[in-house]
Amino acid sequence: QVQLVQSGTEVKKPGASVKVSCKASGYPFSSYGISWVRQAPGQGLEWMGWINTYNGNANYAQRLQGRVTITIDTSTNTAYLELKDLRSDDTAVYYCARGFPSGRGVYFDYWGQGILVTVSS
Amino acid sequence: DIVMTQSPDSLAVSLGERVTISCKSSQSVLYSSNNKNFVAWYQQKPGQPPKLLIYWASTRESGVPDRFSGSGSGTDFTLTISSLQAEDVAIYYCQQYYTLVTFGQGTKLEIK
Repeated sequence: QVQLVQSGTEVKKPGASVKVSCKASGYPFSSYGISWVRQAPGQGLEWMGWINTYNGNANYAQRLQGRVTITIDTSTNTAYLELKDLRSDDTAVYYCARGFPSGRGVYFDYWGQGILVTVSS
Repeated sequence: DIVMTQSPDSLAVSLGERVTISCKSSQSVLYSSNNKNFVAWYQQKPGQPPKLLIYWASTRESGVPDRFSGSGSGTDFTLTISSLQAEDVAIYYCQQYYTLVTFGQGTKLEIK
């Protein structure tokens, strides 16, 4: 069965970086892209970016450009999200999600369990 | 960016009653090449990741109860629950995937 298993909780100080992971199993990794979506406490969903797992090309949300990097390791079927220069408003649950290709953007049919990243001094 | 605006922000409905949630996009998400609307709907319960309910505006995901349905085209979309069950209490989000991805702000559904 399709599974996306994410790494554990992170606590970081303002200005630091965080790198979290999402290990996929149960399907051909290169056939579906991976997106990262975050949710601040009590807030809605914010799409952060997407990576094409076939060729490694990534697209990012404009407001996060320059601070976010999404990468993959095809040898372990794992996607990574790195966020730099952390601020308190980056405190959120970070989800990875499998993107079902549509010919344009993607919708998300499987989600990871979420990782709480807390940014606090 | 395409902005997705949901209404209402919250609603309380009696068990067994019909629920309607609206989602409007700031520009058309109907792709003329395939005549499809690039809209999905998700359900999120507390402490859980979102769950895909509907894609292509009206196609129900496998395993989703048939009381959930999606409709609309162009810029105006609706998620309908035909008869509210207790387990449907959740926050519902629309999403466009016509140009990258954006989500609506969410609609919180409670029991009256």
